[in-house]
Amino acid sequence: AQSVTQLGSHVSVSEGALVLLRCNYSSSVPPYLFWYVQYPNQGLQLLLKYTTGATLVKGINGFEAEFKKSETSFHLTKPSANMRDAAEYFCAVSNNNDMRFGAGTRLTVKP
Amino acid sequence: KAGVTQTPRYLIKTRGQQVTLSCSPISGHRSVSWYQQTPGQGLQFLFEYFSETQRNKGNFPGRFSGRQFSNSRSEMNVSTLELGDSALYLCASSPGDRASYEQYFGPGTRLTVT
Repeated sequence: AQSVTQLGSHVSVSEGALVLLRCNYSSSVPPYLFWYVQYPNQGLQLLLKYTTGATLVKGINGFEAEFKKSETSFHLTKPSANMRDAAEYFCAVSNNNDMRFGAGTRLTVKP
Repeated sequence: KAGVTQTPRYLIKTRGQQVTLSCSPISGHRSVSWYQQTPGQGLQFLFEYFSETQRNKGNFPGRFSGRQFSNSRSEMNVSTLELGDSALYLCASSPGDRASYEQYFGPGTRLTVT
């Protein structure tokens, strides 16, 4: 069965600083990988996904993630944080029609 | 296309009661999944329905059940409510044909059990 580990339940950055949210996965078959964002009192919204092909995936709101098979990682980055990025972020892995989510990382952006 | 809708948005129930939550997926989506989200346990998978059949199930007691109708709308039911069932219940839909498809989430139903 696949699983996801998100390193760091809380990450705090200053406005304009690099955002790095870490995700490692475990899967017995080539995985499909996703990052979602959840704003307060809302459902989850897809930021980006990796299925096949290019390992660097660009998503919405300036986020991107790189699939590294050798490291079983799919870390999410954004070069410059802004206040609107404050939210909870979830990494997910899917195969065999079974999607599993990580525990989430709460991002705080300081002015 | 209209997004995933969930009703009701907020609900307050008493211990021992039962509750039914409803989810309408995006038109054309055949897969509906349910999740429970709490501060302590995070996002936990309840079950997934595809074309009216339960295809996957999480590790929840039998008090949690669901069903899907022929129009893909889904309901979940929780019987004999416990305080620990207080949570945000999220529904997500996808075309369901491939694991590469992302899920589209509704805004959730916040259930409070007193």
